[in-house]
Amino acid sequence: GAVVSQHPSRVICKSGTSVKIECRSLDFQATTMFWYRQFPKQSLMLMATSNEGSKATYEQGVEKDKFLINHASLTLSTLTVTSAHPEDSSFYICSARAQNRDGYEQYFGPGTRLTVT
Amino acid sequence: QQQVKQSPQSLIVQKGGISIINCAYENTAFDYFPWYQQFPGKGPALLIAIRPDVSEKKEGRFTISFNKSAKQFSLHIMDSQPGDSATYFCAADKSSGTALIFGKGTTLSVSS
Repeated sequence: GAVVSQHPSRVICKSGTSVKIECRSLDFQATTMFWYRQFPKQSLMLMATSNEGSKATYEQGVEKDKFLINHASLTLSTLTVTSAHPEDSSFYICSARAQNRDGYEQYFGPGTRLTVT
Repeated sequence: QQQVKQSPQSLIVQKGGISIINCAYENTAFDYFPWYQQFPGKGPALLIAIRPDVSEKKEGRFTISFNKSAKQFSLHIMDSQPGDSATYFCAADKSSGTALIFGKGTTLSVSS
């Protein structure tokens, strides 16, 4: 299957600082990438849909000024958590859609554990 | 309309047994139904997916059964192994649409 990478895998930052998380599709081009947030023992919560070359579409309740998403190329999307606070601590996972002959498959990155102190 | 309901929430199966996880959806526009396996601290891994033009798809020990009229689909894990112990998520989407809608997940424990 297609491979999606994320960097960093873990990050600890102080309250009030910003953190950038990178998501890369390694062996395919992805016009659409997604960012999810996952709390312990819960399902994945969609934060936003990222389309290459255009503005991201945010889900209701997600602060777009706090979670900045940039999809500058067909293989890279970034999520920047601005002015992070302890309540932003979570597991952030990106995914990318890979086209195949049947339509598409969606692959996930390994996730980034963010801890805000 | 957008929900995907998954059951059971947790499942304990003996080694060698069959694990069965069920999902139901409401939106008849959904036409892509993947299953993901997630280990603690890792991202979800695509396990197997089906589209509604077939009623069953098998890959190794994993089988998806799909019932379009009942709007239900299920994952069967044959000869379950301790290494299968993980959380499984079903999901649904429209091929031309937005993001996957996930079920709440099933935690599977396979006892050895």
